Amino acid sequence: AQKITQTQPGMFVQEKEAVTLDCTYDTSDPSYGLFWYKQPSSGEMIFLIYQGSYDQQNATEGRYSLNFQKARKSANLVISASQLGDSAMYFCAMTTSNTGKLIFGQGTTLQVKP
Amino acid sequence: DTAVSQTPKYLVTQMGNDKSIKCEQNLGHDTMYWYKQDSKKFLKIMFSYNNKELIINETVPNRFSPKSPDKAHLNLHINSLELGDSAVYFCASSPDREGYGYTFGSGTRLTVV
Repeated sequence: AQKITQTQPGMFVQEKEAVTLDCTYDTSDPSYGLFWYKQPSSGEMIFLIYQGSYDQQNATEGRYSLNFQKARKSANLVISASQLGDSAMYFCAMTTSNTGKLIFGQGTTLQVKP
Repeated sequence: DTAVSQTPKYLVTQMGNDKSIKCEQNLGHDTMYWYKQDSKKFLKIMFSYNNKELIINETVPNRFSPKSPDKAHLNLHINSLELGDSAVYFCASSPDREGYGYTFGSGTRLTVV
């Protein structure tokens, strides 16, 4: 069965420092996609970054990068130079088997301290 | 111009009522979805439609009925509302079933009293 695990319910980071949010996944499907979403207190789901299972290089989008370690089945999100506006809940998610269905982790709440 | 728009944003209703949430996307995507986010913030898929055809129907009570009149619209009708239906419901769309390009609506907070 497909599963996403985020083991950090809450994280703190100092403004301007980098932070890593952990995500491990489980699937037997060779083709899958990994996503990170940000959900601020206002509630909307904001897409941050995507990594395909066959992508050779780690995905990057501005201050966001995805540390993809296929053998370890991990897809950690790295946020560089944290900003106060990064305080939010972050979800790791996965699609498999060409269904488009997103399977979400439990989420990690990130608080950026000034 | 909002890519995926849901209405209403907030919905407060009494137990036993029937209500609908509407969703429209102007991205030209083929696939649309409904997700439920519970009080613990856990997100789970409920339904998925591809070109008006139901392709995913998770174990959702049959009081919930999705309807897709065309590929740009996916509405969610809920009969005989219960307290446990209180949640945030998100509509989403994607260009295909690979999932890349997923776009979420802003959510509908349903409160059943």
